[in-house]
Amino acid sequence: DAGVIQSPRHEVTEMGQEVTLRCKPISGHDYLFWYRQTMMRGLELLIYFNNNVPIDDSGMPEDRFSAKMPNASFSTLKIQPSEPRDSAVYFCASSLSGGRQTQYFGPGTRLLVL
Amino acid sequence: AQTVTQSQPEMSVQEAETVTLSCTYDTSESDYYLFWYKQPPSRQMILVIRQEAYKQQNATENRFSVNFQKAAKSFSLKISDSQLGDAAMYFCAYRSEIIQGAQKLVFGQGTRLTINP
Repeated sequence: DAGVIQSPRHEVTEMGQEVTLRCKPISGHDYLFWYRQTMMRGLELLIYFNNNVPIDDSGMPEDRFSAKMPNASFSTLKIQPSEPRDSAVYFCASSLSGGRQTQYFGPGTRLLVL
Repeated sequence: AQTVTQSQPEMSVQEAETVTLSCTYDTSESDYYLFWYKQPPSRQMILVIRQEAYKQQNATENRFSVNFQKAAKSFSLKISDSQLGDAAMYFCAYRSEIIQGAQKLVFGQGTRLTINP
């Protein structure tokens, strides 16, 4: 299997611009997670989906952030407008359902907002 | 809410030696899962080992093993015969055993492991 795929791997943008991060989960996985990693806050869960439905978005920092999962093989995380404090590495992960299942992470997208 | 604490921001070990990374957690739940993930410079998060709380036997994966002390809420990772490729950030993570809904991973702050040749 190809694993979790994320694009782009690196993104540099200017403050105020819209940023869209993309994720393709492992085929057959029914859970998808978006995490953010910063030096100050470590790894934080932003939102996760089960069968394309958002289950918990309590980690989404503010209304500038939105996430969608239009089908089982694709999800987006959008930041509009972006701010310098959004600079971080954003990870997507997926897993099967069931308590014993492991989350598998994508390679991450490094976002820099100038 | 559950919390995970890694009290060692940095550790170093000589190649071929053994090193132990510490992790403690706080929870009121009796069933849960614990994980160690490795993050090398490539930033990829790689699962190292997993432990189910209901299992008394400590998990082992080749050179990696854990010391799971449920009563003490401690979950340390032992790396034997350290290799240069083991150099990375190591994260301890907790997940509830809730069949429906919460599949959140709660991460510790990480321990940066350096391997000295």
